Amino acid sequence: AAGVIQSPRHLIKEKRETATLKCYPIPRHDTVYWYQQGPGQDPQFLISFYEKMQSDKGSIPDRFSAQQFSDYHSELNMSSLELGDSALYFCASSPGLTVEFEQYFGPGTRLTVT
Amino acid sequence: AQSVAQPEDQVNVAEGNPLTVKCTYSVSGNPYLFWYVQYPNRGLQFLLKYITGDNLVKGSYGFEAEFNKSQTSFHLKKPSALVSDSALYFCAVRVGNSGTYKYIFGTGTRLKVLA
Repeated sequence: AAGVIQSPRHLIKEKRETATLKCYPIPRHDTVYWYQQGPGQDPQFLISFYEKMQSDKGSIPDRFSAQQFSDYHSELNMSSLELGDSALYFCASSPGLTVEFEQYFGPGTRLTVT
Repeated sequence: AQSVAQPEDQVNVAEGNPLTVKCTYSVSGNPYLFWYVQYPNRGLQFLLKYITGDNLVKGSYGFEAEFNKSQTSFHLKKPSALVSDSALYFCAVRVGNSGTYKYIFGTGTRLKVLA
């Protein structure tokens, strides 16, 4: 079965650079979520999209932005990177916003900021 | 504030013995509870969920969880642990309202099954 695809899987950037993370949801899933998991920490919700519109916002820094495109893939844009942005970034998708749908997680993008 | 607590950072159990990973929650309204497992350098894999109905939920890989409303708990259990069950386990609650649902995760419990 198709799963959530994230690219790249690993990314190394320097401070103050920018990064773009991509997420391709499971086919026919219209809802995408982004989470950040710092070293040894639990995943923290960043932002979500439903039908190409932002549906909820969590602890996402102002330096980050995201969008969902017409094909339902999503991109997380990160600017002015800081050392503290080093983390595993997960994308998850679900087939709608109804509460009983679980979220299916991608393998994550590991971002290292040096 | 809505939250999930996993009181144990690590649980050690011998292979073949029963295991329990604890989770308690604090939410307003009906709780929608989930368990995920994370292997090293991997994404989160769904194990099971409680939305409504029977308090004992069965999930993947022989895991089950018991929803206890009076104790606000959703402990993960398995009758006989395998070494391959060693991983990081996250309890999560889905919160929000129509149109916006997100997960709040517990801090995770590392399960170590000893051969």
